[in-house]
Amino acid sequence: EAGVTQFPSHSVIEKGQTVTLRCDPISGHDNLYWYRRVMGKEIKFLLHFVKESKQDESGMPNNRFLAERTGGTYSTLKVQPAELEDSGVYFCASSQGGRRNTEAFFGQGTRLTVV
Amino acid sequence: GENVEQHPSTLSVQEGDSAVIKCTYSDSASNYFPWYKQELGKRPQLIIDIRSNVGEKKDQRIAVTLNKTAKHFSLHITETQPEDSAVYFCAARRGSTLGRLYFGRGTQLTVWP
Repeated sequence: EAGVTQFPSHSVIEKGQTVTLRCDPISGHDNLYWYRRVMGKEIKFLLHFVKESKQDESGMPNNRFLAERTGGTYSTLKVQPAELEDSGVYFCASSQGGRRNTEAFFGQGTRLTVV
Repeated sequence: GENVEQHPSTLSVQEGDSAVIKCTYSDSASNYFPWYKQELGKRPQLIIDIRSNVGEKKDQRIAVTLNKTAKHFSLHITETQPEDSAVYFCAARRGSTLGRLYFGRGTQLTVWP
């Protein structure tokens, strides 16, 4: 079974530019989460999709961040315009719907560096 | 909201020794506590989890204990091996099985041969 896949693995952009991160969850997983880890700190929640709907977006830092999950499959996270403090590792995770399986499977992350 | 504190931030042990990582949480509604291991350059992977109706769970060399009254849980690794070297994250989840995870800051464990 393929795991959670994220693209790109690394991205270096200049302040003010736009970057789009992509996440392909495990097939059949209704729940998709975005998290971010700034160096040395905790992994912080950004938002949660259930299928194509945003279940919880309370962790999104500001309106420069836009997440989509059209069709309830893959998701994109766009940062526009990027700021220096947006640097960090962005993780995507997915889990099955329902109460039977609660494990969240993580992708390898996208390391974003804003210079 | 929930706040998860994790200690220590770094831990060095000799191969064969035990390692203990401790976490506290603030929200009594949290009822699911997973531990993730992230090796260098790899994805975080679930290694063990515990639910609030259980006080202890063991899987080979790894065990987790939970004290609901004190709101703390710990990861215990016995007979450590160099391949145990990684960053370990504790996390907590409130109520719904679909909800977000609240993570600690991570512990860099280094096991010296």
